Amino acid sequence: AQSVSQHNHHVILSEAASLELGCNYSYGGTVNLFWYVQYPGQHLQLLLKYFSGDPLVKGIKGFEAEFIKSKFSFNLRKPSVQWSDTAEYFCAVRRNTDKLIFGTGTRLQVFP
Amino acid sequence: DTGVSQDPRHKITKRGQNVTFRCDPISEHNRLYWYRQTLGQGPEFLTYFQNEAQLEKSRLLSDRFSAERPKGSFSTLEIQRTEQGDSAMYLCASSLDVQGNEKLFFGSGTQLSVL
Repeated sequence: AQSVSQHNHHVILSEAASLELGCNYSYGGTVNLFWYVQYPGQHLQLLLKYFSGDPLVKGIKGFEAEFIKSKFSFNLRKPSVQWSDTAEYFCAVRRNTDKLIFGTGTRLQVFP
Repeated sequence: DTGVSQDPRHKITKRGQNVTFRCDPISEHNRLYWYRQTLGQGPEFLTYFQNEAQLEKSRLLSDRFSAERPKGSFSTLEIQRTEQGDSAMYLCASSLDVQGNEKLFFGSGTQLSVL
């Protein structure tokens, strides 16, 4: 079965700490990869996406993610988090023109 | 507001009742998705449409769930004979499906509570 795994369920950091959230998927072949974010009280919105080309993609608010095909991974990173990054982060995978499948999410809390 | 709209925002119903939710996508978007999300989980795929055609329905979805998008614009999701396990946030998303570049825009969701 197709699946997306996010191993970090809850991450707590202080401001300025570095962040890395893991994402692994179980598809073979060509995939499109996404990170969505849900800030408290807001709807889901796209953070960044990978379709092809450079495996290191940059998104909004200083986030980036690296696609490592051999590891079926698409980890999200940010060198220095801010309090305003407190949110829930979802990795999602889409194969060809198929539907988007989401991981279970990682709740990030950043303390000032 | 040019985003995805969902109505109602909240719905409280008694077990066994039928409920219907509405989603108005962004006007030029040809794809429309329904997802369900419970606390601590990611959005779970329910079904999606390309224009008015329903392309896929989750195998996990019981026959009590049905969705329509009659004119390729707004969509409705109906749950018949609701059960307590149906309590969740129901999310709608739309996109303009251009090969190799699809970004989903989500609505704020309908929170269903079945008593």
